[in-house]
Amino acid sequence: DTGVSQNPRHKITKRGQNVTFRCDPISEHNRLYWYRQTLGQGPEFLTYFQNEAQLEKSRLLSDRFSAERPKGSFSTLEIQRTEQGDSAMYLCASSARLAGSSYEQYFGPGTRLTVT
Amino acid sequence: AQTVTQSQPEMSVQEAETVTLSCTYDTSENNYYLFWYKQPPSRQMILVIRQEAYKQQNATENRFSVNFQKAAKSFSLKISDSQLGDTAMYFCAFWGYGNKLVFGAGTILRVKS
Repeated sequence: DTGVSQNPRHKITKRGQNVTFRCDPISEHNRLYWYRQTLGQGPEFLTYFQNEAQLEKSRLLSDRFSAERPKGSFSTLEIQRTEQGDSAMYLCASSARLAGSSYEQYFGPGTRLTVT
Repeated sequence: AQTVTQSQPEMSVQEAETVTLSCTYDTSENNYYLFWYKQPPSRQMILVIRQEAYKQQNATENRFSVNFQKAAKSFSLKISDSQLGDTAMYFCAFWGYGNKLVFGAGTILRVKS
């Protein structure tokens, strides 16, 4: 296992279009997180899953955003009707739900979204 | 809600010198974890060091060490013998009962030869 992977790495889209990103976590990890990072800022939490259940969503996650993790493995993050303010790096991280280790998150390389 | 503050937007250090990055945080929780993450240019974020709040001893990982002051809610990172490969954005992060990481705004560290 080579770690957390994300696809695509870069996405340029026009305002109003829908986009979908994919994250493949480390195989034995049952927690999966999405963060958003704007230029020059730290990542901000969007949502997280434990297995296939979405346990928490940030208020940053407007109705245009939806995330799924259908079989508790990979996850997708979809943004509908993109806006220029959605331009950011979208980071995925995973962790194992074991005593004393669920906080240790491993990050993917991110998907950089540019909305024109 | 927890907040993490990194008051140094940018720092520079000469190769082989020592540099300290500052971080303060605010929480009412007693049990939590603190982290420093490194994000090199155009590369993914990696964990540098972590500190459990219940441990009084400061964490150390090779050239990286922390100064954890729980009462002051301060968590600084010291990098000794700085190397060119240490050039990166460094983020301080908090993990508590909320089951998610809360990050500071980051400090850009440039190591000069």
